[in-house]
Amino acid sequence: GAVVSQHPSRVICKSGTSVKIECRSLDFQATTMFWYRQFPKQSLMLMATSNEGSKATYEQGVEKDKFLINHASLTLSTLTVTSAHPEDSSFYICSASLRGSYEQYFGPGTRLTVT
Amino acid sequence: AQSVTQLGSHVSVSEGALVLLRCNYSSSVPPYLFWYVQYPNQGLQLLLKYTSAATLVKGINGFEAEFKKSETSFHLTKPSAHMSDAAEYFCAVNPMPNFGNEKLTFGTGTRLTIIP
Repeated sequence: GAVVSQHPSRVICKSGTSVKIECRSLDFQATTMFWYRQFPKQSLMLMATSNEGSKATYEQGVEKDKFLINHASLTLSTLTVTSAHPEDSSFYICSASLRGSYEQYFGPGTRLTVT
Repeated sequence: AQSVTQLGSHVSVSEGALVLLRCNYSSSVPPYLFWYVQYPNQGLQLLLKYTSAATLVKGINGFEAEFKKSETSFHLTKPSAHMSDAAEYFCAVNPMPNFGNEKLTFGTGTRLTIIP
């Protein structure tokens, strides 16, 4: 149980375009989803926390207009990188949790390359 | 403020030897602590967690960790390393679980290499 999927696993896009990454909890309803960014050989940096039906809470320094997060249902959250630039290239990982469980279940990650 | 520190960004051990990965935390209230493993180009998999029950926690793949409040530590150990243990390991802390906080703070990670 507690499986989280991400789609796509890899995406290459041109500079200036937007790309959407989906995060789904497959066998449970996630009250909270988290989006992380991981640079090569570095730790995970929390970008934002999203709760179903409400606006995402962004961490300090993360541009909310650039990284649009939508948590429309208890099983789906999306991250849209708008007007992507090469510096947005990174590994993006989502996680999901049940309220009160304090355990996060991680997706397999999405490798974004902006050319 | 740094909530979790992993000493040693790289650790190498011989196959069959003891694995010890260090993690120290800072928290003014009892935290929840986690160890995750990450294989290349993959997400994170939970190895084990401490949530204020038994201080010695056993996880998957033969790993265990002991919560030591006096030392503010949660080191990860495995008696005998396997080649398949080679991966990146992250210690994470939820510093305020009793205040409804669900966010985790991750350490910088330790890359474990197994020498045949």
